[in-house]
Amino acid sequence: KAGVTQTPRYLIKTRGQQVTLSCSPISGHRSVSWYQQTPGQGLQFLFEYFSETQRNKGNFPGRFSGRQFSNSRSEMNVSTLELGDSALYLCASSQEPSGRRNEQFFGPGTRLTVL
Amino acid sequence: GQNIDQPTEMTATEGAIVQINCTYQTSGFNGLFWYQQHAGEAPTFLSYNVLDGLEEKGRFSSFLSRSKGYSYLLLKELQMKDSASYLCAVSGAGTALIFGKGTTLSVSS
Repeated sequence: KAGVTQTPRYLIKTRGQQVTLSCSPISGHRSVSWYQQTPGQGLQFLFEYFSETQRNKGNFPGRFSGRQFSNSRSEMNVSTLELGDSALYLCASSQEPSGRRNEQFFGPGTRLTVL
Repeated sequence: GQNIDQPTEMTATEGAIVQINCTYQTSGFNGLFWYQQHAGEAPTFLSYNVLDGLEEKGRFSSFLSRSKGYSYLLLKELQMKDSASYLCAVSGAGTALIFGKGTTLSVSS
């Protein structure tokens, strides 16, 4: 079974630009979560989608948005990029959004650098 | 609100035993996960606890006390390859899986 895939793997943008990151979950997984990881801050939760609906949202500004498609693939968008948005963005999929079936399988991440 | 606390760093020597603690406060509780993350890699699943007690899996064990909001990950017979960050994550009721900041474990020979 193929794992979680994320594209692109690396991205360099300048301040003010916008970016779209893509995530394809494991086949059969309906829940997709996005995390931002920076040194010292750990994994900070961005959003969680389940069956095309945003189920939960973390404490990030409105510049961060996301969506999930009918095939469970998900995208996240960051508009008006700031230097502080430089981070590793991790996508994780799970079968269900709670309990044991919420075991997250992580993709390799997208390393975003904002100059 | 939700809060998960774990020590930032720990050091140990090969062959030793180390215990990484995690305390949490969440709205509801649907289970606690431990993940391992090597530098430059994505986190990978280690264990899941939803009932009180100890779950053993090879050299790794995880313990949960729901009444105390407390868990620990026990690593036995440490090896150099165990040097990594260990993440505690809690699944609340109707909430997303929330991760602690992680404990960086350094194993030396």
